[in-house]
Amino acid sequence: GENVEQHPSTLSVQEGDSAVIKCTYSDSASNYFPWYKQELGKRPQLIIDIRSNVGEKKDQRIAVTLNKTAKHFSLHITETQPEDSAVYFCVVGSSGTYKYIFGTGTRLKVLA
Amino acid sequence: DGGITQSPKYLFRKEGQNVTLSCEQNLNHDAMYWYRQDPGQGLRLIYYSQIVNDFQKGDIAEGYSVSREKKESFPLTVTSAQKNPTAFYLCASSMTGNEKLFFGSGTQLSVL
Repeated sequence: GENVEQHPSTLSVQEGDSAVIKCTYSDSASNYFPWYKQELGKRPQLIIDIRSNVGEKKDQRIAVTLNKTAKHFSLHITETQPEDSAVYFCVVGSSGTYKYIFGTGTRLKVLA
Repeated sequence: DGGITQSPKYLFRKEGQNVTLSCEQNLNHDAMYWYRQDPGQGLRLIYYSQIVNDFQKGDIAEGYSVSREKKESFPLTVTSAQKNPTAFYLCASSMTGNEKLFFGSGTQLSVL
């Protein structure tokens, strides 16, 4: 079955710096790659997603890049702010299945 | 708030007791899901339903049961067979498989 690895598990950056979180997956048939942000005790919320026919997608300070050959995708947050502090999960999905595989999460701390 | 309502927010279970977590959505989504989240970990799939009157086991279904009698509702019962039920339970829905997941606000279940 699909296996998703997410790194790093924790990440501390200074306010205004960039943060990068990376995920690798094993199943070449996977074709949907969303990222979720979860604040403590709250629901996960979708922040950006990408499908396998696109290499990069950007939404203001957030971007996701996908390398299908190497089977990895990354979340990039620029000009980080204290409100970016949260746990971020990468997710992998495949057509014809309802099983989304979640990474183990990255706790991002933005230091003021 | 997000179209998915979970209740209660907090729930306590006594030894040998079955408890039921409620999940209702008004997004007209066909698919619904239950995930379990343990502290510092990712989300694990308990059950999912692609359509009314149909549901499938996820990765950790033992000790849990579900029903899908209405499109809007997907309740989860934590049975006495689940020996370690303490966790944060999240309900989610999507239009179909491999689409954006929308989450409820979660239920924190603890054992008395």
